[in-house]
Amino acid sequence: AQKITQTQPGMFVQEKEAVTLDCTYDTSDQSYGLFWYKQPSSGEMIFLIYQGSYDEQNATEGRYSLNFQKARKSANLVISASQLGDSAMYFCAMREISNFGNEKLTFGTGTRLTIIP
Amino acid sequence: DAGVTQSPTHLIKTRGQQVTLRCSPKSGHDTVSWYQQALGQGPQFIFQYYEEEERQRGNFPDRFSGHQFPNYSSELNVNALLLGDSALYLCASSLDKFSPLHFGNGTRLTVT
Repeated sequence: AQKITQTQPGMFVQEKEAVTLDCTYDTSDQSYGLFWYKQPSSGEMIFLIYQGSYDEQNATEGRYSLNFQKARKSANLVISASQLGDSAMYFCAMREISNFGNEKLTFGTGTRLTIIP
Repeated sequence: DAGVTQSPTHLIKTRGQQVTLRCSPKSGHDTVSWYQQALGQGPQFIFQYYEEEERQRGNFPDRFSGHQFPNYSSELNVNALLLGDSALYLCASSLDKFSPLHFGNGTRLTVT
């Protein structure tokens, strides 16, 4: 069974600093995808970044980058130059990719990030 | 281009009642998934619909059922509500198995 572990329940970071949110995963599948979502207090899950298990380069999307270390089974999210609007819950999630079109996501427990002015 | 839309946004029900939540997927998406997010937890997969059929199901009892219509919209039904069913219910849609899931704003269900 797939499992996602996020060991940081909460983090406080000074505005404009970079922050790394940790995520480790466990799966026996060879083909899978890793996602990060942001959830503000409004409840909407906002997609941030995606990394496929066969992607050789780390994914980047604007201020977000994913530090993918396959051998260590980690997929940490790095946010550069943090902003007050980055304060939210952040979830790491994994999806197995199969020929049957399985799109189920397994989520971690989340990290609450608070940006301090 | 409208994203995933869910209704209602909030709902209060009494134990034993039944509830129906609705979801319209993002334009062009034909697969709809439902997730339950209890307070302080990550979302848990309930089930997924594709071509009007349930394709995959998580560890949820039969009290949770769903439907997908020809226009790809979907409903989640929960019968015999329990206090523990109180949660944020999220609907998500995707273009294909390699694309990210796009979520709606959710329906917050409170069971009293």
